[in-house]
Amino acid sequence: NAGVTQTPKFRVLKTGQSMTLLCAQDMNHEYMYWYRQDPGMGLRLIHYSVGEGTTAKGEVPDGYNVSRLKKQNFLLGLESAAPSQTSVYFCASGLSEVTDTQYFGPGTRLTVL
Amino acid sequence: GQQLNQSPQSMFIQEGEDVSMNCTSSSIFNTWLWYKQDPGEGPVLLIALYKAGELTSNGRLTAQFGITRKDSFLNISASIPSDVGIYFCAGQPAAGNMLTFGGGTRLMVKP
Repeated sequence: NAGVTQTPKFRVLKTGQSMTLLCAQDMNHEYMYWYRQDPGMGLRLIHYSVGEGTTAKGEVPDGYNVSRLKKQNFLLGLESAAPSQTSVYFCASGLSEVTDTQYFGPGTRLTVL
Repeated sequence: GQQLNQSPQSMFIQEGEDVSMNCTSSSIFNTWLWYKQDPGEGPVLLIALYKAGELTSNGRLTAQFGITRKDSFLNISASIPSDVGIYFCAGQPAAGNMLTFGGGTRLMVKP
């Protein structure tokens, strides 16, 4: 039982490049989330999904897209990376309510030059 | 969006000391959660609070849901080196809303 896994762990991009971050969970959770963490700002929600085939915008969705084609996977895409997207990205999953325990992945550290 | 002010931003304490941190908001929250993040890892849930005035413990940790519903407190008794990390509060302003996270309290413990 791996819990929540994220790939890659680290990535460096040049401005304008695109990439996809993959999140996978093996706990059969309905809800999945993508957050970004910046120094002193805590975690800010980018997008979330309440079930397979659904996605919704969070607090800071601009510049990102997501897809949830399979229940266990939640993909975060950056179509044209910008330096402001340099951050640590965390994926999380939870059972069925927002306040159910959210299980976090280990994070992806992204640097955009 | 909703703002959660967490304080202090950082603490450097001696092993064995007690620790207190808090989270405040200008608006009401229905649920308060406290997470801990170890260096290089994702946050892990420590305590969840669902009712105003609720006091809940988890080992050496105790958290309280403020009676005004605009704040929450976390206390750690007799700190040990493995308490090092960043502690985040998170709140749900109303049923169905997503969580809002505070900026975190970085705790450092000197052996």
